[in-house]
Amino acid sequence: DAGITQSPRHKVTETGTPVTLRCHQTENHRYMYWYRQDPGHGLRLIHYSYGVKDTDKGEVSDGYSVSRSKTEDFLLTLESATSSQTSVYFCATLGGDRYNEQFFGPGTRLTVL
Amino acid sequence: DQQVKQNSPSLSVQEGRISILNCDYTNSMFDYFLWYKKYPAEGPTFLISISSIKDKNEDGRFTVFLNKSAKHLSLHIVPSQPGDSAVYFCAAAGSQGNLIFGKGTKLSVKP
Repeated sequence: DAGITQSPRHKVTETGTPVTLRCHQTENHRYMYWYRQDPGHGLRLIHYSYGVKDTDKGEVSDGYSVSRSKTEDFLLTLESATSSQTSVYFCATLGGDRYNEQFFGPGTRLTVL
Repeated sequence: DQQVKQNSPSLSVQEGRISILNCDYTNSMFDYFLWYKKYPAEGPTFLISISSIKDKNEDGRFTVFLNKSAKHLSLHIVPSQPGDSAVYFCAAAGSQGNLIFGKGTKLSVKP
């Protein structure tokens, strides 16, 4: 358990509105990740961060932005939500004793109407 | 194009029998593989991993086999238990600690 919390856990919003999801970790892990999980697609990487203010794009980054102003917080923003962004979003950190082991948060279920 | 493929969306097994979950990959540069388990409404949790320098790794009831020439790995669960019912994701380690996941296989273990 890497002490990862995500907020909110559930959110319903309307198309065109901005949405920010928060990931908070207590283990001081350097690397943090945002994934989305959709039926038939598994987990796909949206953005990741390799340090404060250091971020990079993942496989499905269009329509998303991220920010990391503190080690413990990684924010995912949908500037103008679309129905195709309805998904379950997971935050993860890289740490632990095993090489490449990522710890995942509990997820945020986002519905865009 | 998928770099990590789990071609069976679902698998049903009787309690006490062996469960075999398969995973194929396309990039021969991948050198580390992980299996994650996911219950509904929870985040994925690490299950077992294997380095490309090995062909087998065992942890209790769980064993992962790697066939590099075939670019194939499999997860064996023996004996299967109802509590093993979950979605299992295969992942390959890429650059920057990134993981590339398959689409998952939903395992149902029937009592």
